[in-house]
Amino acid sequence: SAVISQKPSRDICQRGTSLTIQCQVDSQVTMMFWYRQQPGQSLTLIATANQGSEATYESGFVIDKFPISRPNLTFSTLTVSNMSPEDSSIYLCSVEGQQLYGYTFGSGTRLTVV
Amino acid sequence: AQSVAQPEDQVNVAEGNPLTVKCTYSVSGNPYLFWYVQYPNRGLQFLLKYITGDNLVKGSYGFEAEFNKSQTSFHLKKPSALVSDSALYFCAVTEGSGGGADGLTFGKGTHLIIQP
Repeated sequence: SAVISQKPSRDICQRGTSLTIQCQVDSQVTMMFWYRQQPGQSLTLIATANQGSEATYESGFVIDKFPISRPNLTFSTLTVSNMSPEDSSIYLCSVEGQQLYGYTFGSGTRLTVV
Repeated sequence: AQSVAQPEDQVNVAEGNPLTVKCTYSVSGNPYLFWYVQYPNRGLQFLLKYITGDNLVKGSYGFEAEFNKSQTSFHLKKPSALVSDSALYFCAVTEGSGGGADGLTFGKGTHLIIQP
C-alpha cells in the first residue's frame, strides 16, 4: 500500500493565523482526501482533491476556510485559515489503496489553536 | 446520503473470549465497507474491507467481519481477544460506484477494552 508522509505532526497556533499541512505520497494517486477528527470524535471528510481540478468540498466545509492545492499526483496541501479554537483537531490526509488494501491514512496533524 | 452507526461507545471483553464490535450502514448503492483501528496518538490502521464476494472477510491481526446485506450490517469479530486489541475501532462505508474513488463516511467509533 501507499506510504504517506504528513507534516507537521503537530502545531500550536494563534487564533486568526493560518496553517498549511502537507501530504506527500510515495506513488502517484488520482484522488487524495482530507479529513478532520475533532477531539473525541469520529473522522469527517473535508474535501476530495483531484489533480488538475478544484477540490470538491463536503457540506459544512468551504474553500475560503480550507483551501486545498493539488499540484501533482503525489502531493497535496490543506490550509486551515483564520483559525479559531474550534479548529483544534487532528487533520488527516488519505489516498485510496490498491485492490487488496483499504484507504491509507497519514499519521495526522494535531492542531491546537490558542 | 450514506451513514454508519456503531451503537456501542464501549465494548468490554475478557482476554481469551470472543469479541464483536457492531456496525450497521446505510448507502444508496452497493456498499464498500471498512474497519480501521486507532491506537492512542497513532494514525488509522486498516484492518479489513468488503467489496464483493464472500460475505466473511478475514483481515489483519486475526480479525474478521461478516457482511449481511439484509441486515445492512458489517460486524467485526475475533475468536479470542488479546489485551493488545484494546483500541478505538471505526467502521466506514463508501458507495461503490465503479467510477472515481469517493471518500469514506465513518461511524463514531467504539472503544474496545480487553480485560486481563
